[in-house]
Amino acid sequence: KAGVTQTPRYLIKTRGQQVTLSCSPISGHRSVSWYQQTPGQGLQFLFEYFSETQRNKGNFPGRFSGRQFSNSRSEMNVSTLELGDSALYLCASSKSPNYEQYFGPGTRLTVT
Amino acid sequence: EDQVTQSPEALRLQEGESSSLNCSYTVSGLRGLFWYRQDPGKGPEFLFTLYSAGEEKEKERLKATLTKKESFLHITAPKPEDSATYLCAVQGAFGSGSEKLVFGKGTKLTVNP
Repeated sequence: KAGVTQTPRYLIKTRGQQVTLSCSPISGHRSVSWYQQTPGQGLQFLFEYFSETQRNKGNFPGRFSGRQFSNSRSEMNVSTLELGDSALYLCASSKSPNYEQYFGPGTRLTVT
Repeated sequence: EDQVTQSPEALRLQEGESSSLNCSYTVSGLRGLFWYRQDPGKGPEFLFTLYSAGEEKEKERLKATLTKKESFLHITAPKPEDSATYLCAVQGAFGSGSEKLVFGKGTKLTVNP
């Protein structure tokens, strides 16, 4: 069974630009969560989607947004990038919010 | 506010030297405590879920235990390939407002041959 896939794997953007990251969950999984991982703050929850609806949202500014499609694939968008947005962005999928989450390899975003 | 504290931050062991990692937590009604392993440059890999105090789970050289306030990840006779960062996360009960996964900052384990 294929795991969670994330594209692109690496991305370099300039401050002020916007970026869209994509996540394809494990087949049959309907819940997708996004996390930001930095050396200083560790893994921080961004948002969770289930059946195309946002269930939970972390403490991030409105520049961070996401959506989920009918095939459970998800995207997250960051607008007006700041240097502090440089991080590893991880997507995780689960059968539903009741089940353990399986992570993808992440997208390494560097903002210059 | 839900909190997860892992200790130690880093641990160096000799191959075969058993030890334990600690995860202390506060959460509004624990639904589950999760252990993950993360290798450099990769996403976390799921290891265990524990749901109630007294529960134990094992996988190869790893054994996870849970009390009402903390969890331990016991590593028996570790090998160099066990070197990784081990992450602990908690999820609160549905409807408690603490449903999102809250992660600790991890314990970086190095096992020397």
